[in-house]
Amino acid sequence: DVKVTQSSRYLVKRTGEKVFLECVQDMDHENMFWYRQDPGLGLRLIYFSYDVKMKEKGDIPEGYSVSREKKERFSLILESASTNQTSMYLCASSFYPGPHSNEQFFGPGTRLTVL
Amino acid sequence: SQQGEEDPQALSIQEGENATMNCSYKTSINNLQWYRQNSGRGLVHLILIRSNEREKHSGRLRVTLDTSKKSSSLLITASRAADTASYFCATDGASGSRLTFGEGTQLTVNP
Repeated sequence: DVKVTQSSRYLVKRTGEKVFLECVQDMDHENMFWYRQDPGLGLRLIYFSYDVKMKEKGDIPEGYSVSREKKERFSLILESASTNQTSMYLCASSFYPGPHSNEQFFGPGTRLTVL
Repeated sequence: SQQGEEDPQALSIQEGENATMNCSYKTSINNLQWYRQNSGRGLVHLILIRSNEREKHSGRLRVTLDTSKKSSSLLITASRAADTASYFCATDGASGSRLTFGEGTQLTVNP
């Protein structure tokens, strides 16, 4: 079975801190995604990556950056956390390369609170 | 705005009843997917239906797709308390790029 793991289930940070959210998948998937989920807004795509060292902006990239140095690991970085970044963050991966849509496998999520 | 929109936002039924959720979308798609999310957890893929398919079954799940109306429905038959979760539809664009998720339907199945 595909396993997508996220470094923390719950995280509390202070405004202005630099925050790293890590995601690792173990099935050699090409594609990886970061979403945030907020009540009434559904899932919104922050960044995605189709390959190592490749990244594409999603719908709400402002205030975030990403890193993909290895195929299995996709990191989301909040350079200077703000209270409006309090949210549930979900990482996902999918198998086929390129722009072909297919099933995404999700991690358990990280609930981030910024005080 | 979201590509996929689910209807209703919330649904409460008794165990054994059928649950129907609807999804509407705006642009052309290659496929449409349904996902389930238990409270506070990640999403789990349920079923994918391609744009050239009209109906698909998987166990107690039945999905229909009407591309002329840009809509899909998910039917869960003989519901169980364990089906209580949020259900999301997700669509890709005509170019087959990333998925766009709707806001979800919260299903509650009462024992």
